[in-house]
Amino acid sequence: GAGVSQSPRYKVAKRGQDVALRCDPISGHVSLFWYQQALGQGPEFLTYFQNEAQLDKSGLPSDRFFAERPEGSVSTLKIQRTQQEDSAVYLCASSLGEGQGSPGNTIYFGEGSWLTVV
Amino acid sequence: DAKTTQPTSMDCAEGRAANLPCNHSTISGNEYVYWYRQIHSQGPQYIIHGLKNNETNEMASLIITEDRKSSTLILPHATLRDTAVYYCIVRVTRHGGATNKLIFGTGTLLAVQP
Repeated sequence: GAGVSQSPRYKVAKRGQDVALRCDPISGHVSLFWYQQALGQGPEFLTYFQNEAQLDKSGLPSDRFFAERPEGSVSTLKIQRTQQEDSAVYLCASSLGEGQGSPGNTIYFGEGSWLTVV
Repeated sequence: DAKTTQPTSMDCAEGRAANLPCNHSTISGNEYVYWYRQIHSQGPQYIIHGLKNNETNEMASLIITEDRKSSTLILPHATLRDTAVYYCIVRVTRHGGATNKLIFGTGTLLAVQP
């Protein structure tokens, strides 16, 4: 389809393992976001890209978390040395551009990557 | 960052209007109010957004108070498929795009009853 695509949909990792989560935003969308959603909680902001530039990474919980978007389209969220507290749904979202209020600026979310660390 | 408060849960009879309240008393003048909903195991689905004026689309209406400290999402004819967690969100941006994020709260679980 034409929506935000994330893979893998489900990932089980052993504690200490590195994981990489991929996001394919909607074609032509300039802005890309990563959110983390723990069970029973609302999504929490992790990081924001405008094209290939990571403009805000204030929500990344530790230096084990790293996100990149080298060509301004596909993005990867990498978690090193996973811990049990990293178990969550990782949501990717994209929007057409920056600015506020225009219909083209709606933020569209993917279905998420469910990470379980055992 | 501005935060929102919502009731934890609400019930609504099928076919009736669902009115979901939200308080955002610390919202800044240029921050928009967004509403999303999330059905279990799916990503958040955009519903509507607004700044000052009331807004309506094919899904819902958004009523924002004149002082912008609160808003109400209205689903005019709720169906069983509208059962979901509804998030009232303030969108925070900074000049030049230094940040651009949705601040989610814990949301309201709307249960539409047959």
